[in-house]
Amino acid sequence: GIQVEQSPPDLILQEGANSTLRCNFSDSVNNLQWFHQNPWGQLINLFYIPSGTKQNGRLSATTVATERYSLLYISSSQTTDSGVYFCAVESSNDYKLSFGAGTTVTVRA
Amino acid sequence: EADIYQTPRYLVIGTGKKITLECSQTMGHDKMYWYQQDPGMELHLIHYSYGVNSTEKGDLSSESTVSRIRTEHFPLTLESARPSHTSQYLCASRPLAGVGQETQYFGPGTRLLVL
Repeated sequence: GIQVEQSPPDLILQEGANSTLRCNFSDSVNNLQWFHQNPWGQLINLFYIPSGTKQNGRLSATTVATERYSLLYISSSQTTDSGVYFCAVESSNDYKLSFGAGTTVTVRA
Repeated sequence: EADIYQTPRYLVIGTGKKITLECSQTMGHDKMYWYQQDPGMELHLIHYSYGVNSTEKGDLSSESTVSRIRTEHFPLTLESARPSHTSQYLCASRPLAGVGQETQYFGPGTRLLVL
């Protein structure tokens, strides 16, 4: 199956800092999503972005499908941004997402 | 946003007990999924369904079973719980077709501890 690698595995930020999270995948995809899992375990969908660039407030994402990677940008980080960020991809219209191992982000006040 | 409910949220149970984790969604989504996740680790798909009377095993072998008798309901059952089943179980759903079919929604999860 498709392999998904996320980096870095851990990220510690001071409040107000900017950061970039990366997701590499091993095959062409027709679906790529970014999720945020809060400290209570709830997963929230941030972006559906199989290609191109999207922005939502302080978060933005870019996927370069031809080079098989996606980036998630967090600007002016806040303590509420803490949690684990997962990238998930789907390669063959089988409606099954494969998840990366996640990036754990800790934002300190 | 889809509304997905999971009960119980937390469960502590002894070895050998039969348990059922409930998952319901109110958006009429056809596709539903169960994932198993250890703390801070990646999600592993253990079961999925594309509609009523459709169930399939996922990529991670699991001793659990599922059923899909109604569109909105996708319960997961462990016939005999063991300490190795201790984990968080996450239910998810998304539409079969149409606008928004690509977006997957998750329930709040059930944290299971088997003693």
